[in-house]
Amino acid sequence: DIEMTQSPDSLAVSLGERATINCKSSQSILHNSNNKNYLAWYQFKPGQPPRLLIYWASTRDSGVPDRFSGSGSGTDFTLTISSLQAEDVAIYYCQQYYSSPYSFGQGTMLEIK
Amino acid sequence: QVQLVQSGAEVKKPGSSVKVSCTASGGPFSSYAITWVRQAPGQRLEWMGAIIPIYAPANYAQKFLGRVTITADESTRTSYMELSRLTSEDTAIYYCARLGLPRDYSYHLDVWGKGTTVTVSS
Repeated sequence: DIEMTQSPDSLAVSLGERATINCKSSQSILHNSNNKNYLAWYQFKPGQPPRLLIYWASTRDSGVPDRFSGSGSGTDFTLTISSLQAEDVAIYYCQQYYSSPYSFGQGTMLEIK
Repeated sequence: QVQLVQSGAEVKKPGSSVKVSCTASGGPFSSYAITWVRQAPGQRLEWMGAIIPIYAPANYAQKFLGRVTITADESTRTSYMELSRLTSEDTAIYYCARLGLPRDYSYHLDVWGKGTTVTVSS
């Protein structure tokens, strides 16, 4: 099974500043057949359905603000929020969908400093 | 716009079973996999299994084999997740989610339900 590890576990960033969350997979999730990284990022807020932010490691889902970006390849990935807004307070999870069971990171709690 | 509506919270006794439903409104249903994911208190999200309604039966995580059954009813656009032989460790929020592309399991989850809280307590 592929293990996903996020860092840090929690993060406090000032409004307007950059937030960076890392995600590492225990093996490569880059598929040679299509050169795609099978990684997604999700945002969890209390009382709301979880939201897909990024898929294929760097493709923003429809309606996601462009301050959210994803990068990385192989085993190391990053979610960046370029200018933190109050509504970005949430828990963020990465997930690999390369092979079953499609595992998640442990989550990163993002707060306002 | 696809929405997934899950059934309400459940309280169950140890050793019993629970069945949670997830009904899709809007968008295509039969060719897109519905996945079930759970999060126990203090634990990470766990992928339990998934079903593509037109390709049933479901695909399960090894951990839950023999204890979980995922089904789908195309006529009502509803997926069900039944978990048997419950213990306190099954206390969790159970989410359904739809995959973003059809006819395979290896895709991101683009629409989620709000989650169903299942509490197992004597």
